[in-house]
Amino acid sequence: AQKITQTQPGMFVQEKEAVTLDCTYDTSDQSYGLFWYKQPSSGEMIFLIYQGSYDEQNATEGRYSLNFQKARKSANLVISASQLGDSAMYFCATWDSNYQLIWGAGTKLIIKP
Amino acid sequence: GAVVSQHPSWVICKSGTSVKIECRSLDFQATTMFWYRQFPKQSLMLMATSNEGSKATYEQGVEKDKFLINHASLTLSTLTVTSAHPEDSSFYICSAKQAAYEQYFGPGTRLTVT
Repeated sequence: AQKITQTQPGMFVQEKEAVTLDCTYDTSDQSYGLFWYKQPSSGEMIFLIYQGSYDEQNATEGRYSLNFQKARKSANLVISASQLGDSAMYFCATWDSNYQLIWGAGTKLIIKP
Repeated sequence: GAVVSQHPSWVICKSGTSVKIECRSLDFQATTMFWYRQFPKQSLMLMATSNEGSKATYEQGVEKDKFLINHASLTLSTLTVTSAHPEDSSFYICSAKQAAYEQYFGPGTRLTVT
């Protein structure tokens, strides 16, 4: 069965600094995908970035990039030049064979001015 | 991007009453929608998978008779919490699957049962 582990319950980061949110995964599938979602205090889940297991390059979306290290089974999210609006919960996820998302426990990121 | 709406965004109801939550995909057709429940400071917990035109598939431990799911069309799924109790108070989120791996989430519904 698939499993996502996020070991950082919370992080404080100074505004404008880069931040890395850790995510490791466990799957026996050859083909899989990894997602990062942001959940602000309003509750909505906001899709940030996706990495397919066969993608040769790390995914990037604006200030978000995914540091995909297949051998280490890690898919860390990197946010460059953090902003106050980045304060939120961040969830790493993968999907199972039914395309149901398997979620990590989340990391609460707080950006300090 | 694809937009999913939920209605209502916040509801308070009395214990013993039923509450219906709607999930709509506004600009795409979704053959599959998912219903999640989220407790404070926790991750999303999948409750059920809703496929258009067929019965929902519930996760282990989720009471089918309590959480009624109907997926009547390609753009609408509803979750009805029947005979609600205070322990049903939670944040309920739906998502709609557009392509193989693309899921779009609704803004969530905060349910408080008094």
